[in-house]
Amino acid sequence: GDSVTQTEGPVTVSESESLIINCTYSATSIAYPNLFWYVRYPGEGLQLLLKVITAGQKGSSRGFEATYNKETTSFHLQKASVQESDSAVYYCALGPDSNNRIFFGDGTQLVVKP
Amino acid sequence: AQTIHQWPVAEIKAVGSPLSLGCTIKGKSSPNLYWYWQATGGTLQQLFYSITVGQVESVVQLNLSASRPKDDQFILSTEKLLLSHSGFYLCAWSLGINSDYTFGSGTRLLVI
Repeated sequence: GDSVTQTEGPVTVSESESLIINCTYSATSIAYPNLFWYVRYPGEGLQLLLKVITAGQKGSSRGFEATYNKETTSFHLQKASVQESDSAVYYCALGPDSNNRIFFGDGTQLVVKP
Repeated sequence: AQTIHQWPVAEIKAVGSPLSLGCTIKGKSSPNLYWYWQATGGTLQQLFYSITVGQVESVVQLNLSASRPKDDQFILSTEKLLLSHSGFYLCAWSLGINSDYTFGSGTRLLVI
């Protein structure tokens, strides 16, 4: 089926350190999946962080970036220097299928220590 | 401006009691509407989607039901809650296939 697997949290890093959250996907019913990273800050809803629709392309937002790698079926999220305000839960996702369904990973909680 | 409003923000309910969660969309005509749910430690998964008023498709069977009584309203409900219904419920809208989702702030439900 269509699914996403991502780094299990919580992930704890110190401010100004680099970050990588791994994401791999399986897309069996979707020929050309879009790949997404969503973020949920404490007390808020899910927000789209970045999206890439073409294999080989890189998306970036707020200092985060992720490259759509079709060969390794991966979409890892990276940031060179995290801030305390980046503390949140990050979800990798793929879609849409024919019902416009988006498939999410379990989410990775990121804790950035000052 | 906030286009999607979910209520309540949080609920604590007893097993066997009824539940009704609401979602209202502002300023968008004929959006696709979705309910998502994430159990504690689980995966965020789609429960229902609706393309038009009065029509709702079920994706996952969880002894829950959904209705779309108006173009801008999506309701999730059950007559008898189970412990397994605890979790985080998110409503979302999009303007069709391949258009981005916009999520509400969610409702945290604890069934005891």
